[in-house]
Amino acid sequence: SQKIEQNSEALNIQEGKTATLTCNYTNYSPAYLQWYRQDPGRGPVFLLLIRENEKEKRKERLKVTFDTTLKQSLFHITASQPADSATYLCALDPSGNTGKLIFGQGTTLQVKP
Amino acid sequence: NAGVMQNPRHLVRRRGQEARLRCSPMKGHSHVYWYRQLPEEGLKFMVYLQKENIIDESGMPKERFSAEFPKEGPSILRIQQVVRGDSAAYFCASSSDGVGYEQYFGPGTRLTVT
Repeated sequence: SQKIEQNSEALNIQEGKTATLTCNYTNYSPAYLQWYRQDPGRGPVFLLLIRENEKEKRKERLKVTFDTTLKQSLFHITASQPADSATYLCALDPSGNTGKLIFGQGTTLQVKP
Repeated sequence: NAGVMQNPRHLVRRRGQEARLRCSPMKGHSHVYWYRQLPEEGLKFMVYLQKENIIDESGMPKERFSAEFPKEGPSILRIQQVVRGDSAAYFCASSSDGVGYEQYFGPGTRLTVT
């Protein structure tokens, strides 16, 4: 069956450390993968999009990798801050040409000062 | 440039009533998506629309739910004869193109069915 999985347990780290979140998928062949941030009571906010021919993408303190062989994407936040505390969602277009997104359950990150 | 707007932000309906949720996409965006988020669950795709066309409604329940995106005006998600299980947050998103582009989400409409 098709699945997109993120760590269901919350990730607690100390301020200043690097947070690494994992997204694994099964029986999909996405042409691209996206990461979003969601705060309680709010809509998701787009962070990064990475295409299948890109191994890595960076934006300020954020870095995303995409390994189509492992069927995995890693999302890193360097020099983490308490303001980074939120739920992070990965999402993919299941067939690469529909535009609709399938979301993972999300991983909640808590950065402690 | 205003973001995606949704209204109402909160909607309370009794069982059997109709719920109408509105979404105005970002300026210049012609692709609209609706997602539902149940308590403690992830976002689930419902429907994808372009102006006057439904492109993909594979995530929408066959009965009681309908969506439209008219030539003029906002996109509407309509739920007829609501039941308690319809209580959820409904998010609308828009994009400038359908494939391979990021989606911009609205603040959501929180529907409570009593």
